[in-house]
Amino acid sequence: GQQVMQIPQYQHVQEGEDFTTYCNSSTTLSNIQWYKQRPGGHPVFLIQLVKSGEVKKQKRLTFQFGEAKKNSSLHITATQTTDVGTYFCAGRIRGSTLGRLYFGRGTQLTVWP
Amino acid sequence: DVKVTQSSRYLVKRTGEKVFLECVQDMDHENMFWYRQDPGLGLRLIYFSYDVKMKEKGDIPEGYSVSREKKERFSLILESASTNQTSMYLCASSLGHTNTEAFFGQGTRLTVV
Repeated sequence: GQQVMQIPQYQHVQEGEDFTTYCNSSTTLSNIQWYKQRPGGHPVFLIQLVKSGEVKKQKRLTFQFGEAKKNSSLHITATQTTDVGTYFCAGRIRGSTLGRLYFGRGTQLTVWP
Repeated sequence: DVKVTQSSRYLVKRTGEKVFLECVQDMDHENMFWYRQDPGLGLRLIYFSYDVKMKEKGDIPEGYSVSREKKERFSLILESASTNQTSMYLCASSLGHTNTEAFFGQGTRLTVV
């Protein structure tokens, strides 16, 4: 079954609105990574969070890792058309084989002008 | 720049054919992965290799096998292609310890007719 759950599956926003995608695991994660896949492209690494409660920012993107290391979120402030794509979270489940990542199903973001 | 190269961008094969998908990485990564991507299902792990000749089944290994005879090359084999294996196949690689990002190839769009 799905080890890492991600919601929502789809999000449509008007340019300038905010966007958030959420990632949850029933088991503790050693780390959480976020990837972006543009339409027609392949997933590209955005960031990794390792520490409990960690918050990192990349310009308009804010990434959080929960205190219990079981959930994470990606928030985009004032979306732009260049933000269009599918955002995936991926975590390493504590105790699993070293290097193996468990991906969420992704959130497909559409931004209309 | 890390490069993960998949041998074909598009492939069309007939039902029952044996199909080989090849992936090569140039960064001496220990880990290599084969994912399958279908709309609404995200990235599903088929097989994972953490060293030469070492492999681990992912979430959907049925109908697939893999080969890793050299560190830089990871092959996905469809023993007898079926129409339900029509999909986008993504190869990825990462360094051999916990907290490293995965680098993806451009993907192979396989159609089985």
